[in-house]
Amino acid sequence: DAKTTQPPSMDCAEGRAANLPCNHSTISGNEYVYWYRQIHSQGPQYIIHGLKNNETNEMASLIITEDRKSSTLILPHATLRDTAVYYCIPWGGYGQNFVFGPGTRLSVLP
Amino acid sequence: DTGVSQDPRHKITKRGQNVTFRCDPISEHNRLYWYRQTLGQGPEFLTYFQNEAQLEKSRLLSDRFSAERPKGSFSTLEIQRTEQGDSAMYLCASSLWGGREETQYFGPGTRLLVL
Repeated sequence: DAKTTQPPSMDCAEGRAANLPCNHSTISGNEYVYWYRQIHSQGPQYIIHGLKNNETNEMASLIITEDRKSSTLILPHATLRDTAVYYCIPWGGYGQNFVFGPGTRLSVLP
Repeated sequence: DTGVSQDPRHKITKRGQNVTFRCDPISEHNRLYWYRQTLGQGPEFLTYFQNEAQLEKSRLLSDRFSAERPKGSFSTLEIQRTEQGDSAMYLCASSLWGGREETQYFGPGTRLLVL
């Protein structure tokens, strides 16, 4: 399983973009990068995933570097409700389980 | 709401008692996962089912833990002779495995406190 490194915590001002980095330098060619978040006392919530290309949905954008060794999750206009722990998870499919690291605790400040 | 549901949401029990949790996945999802999460940590994989078959169990799943998914729909997780170390959030997730990629959708969790 690929190892990930995320900053333990980050702050972001409300209304500004939140850029959450993840290093996954040992990712293999068939592993997707998934992002989940967990708001206090709730189950993890799926945000977005990608393989090689950048992805965007209604929640966020995912930028994956060309060498795939790192990615950045972008919340374009952070709100107080985006305060959560964000997990970056490389996952290669069959026979491999989701491995959650400690994640990044994002605090959106008013 | 057609998301993953879990019951109960909270359970307090005394050490040595047995407890059972239920998970109802998203309709037509063929995979169902159980995770455990202790305070300040990320979720840890316990086991998963594809339809009714239990395909993998983590070493975290001691002999006191058993999970079933009898008809390939809902699942139960039973803990026998609970210990204080079993206190945690137990999370269920489901997904539709199509052979290449899948997205797991999580339920709200069952918080267990063993006194």
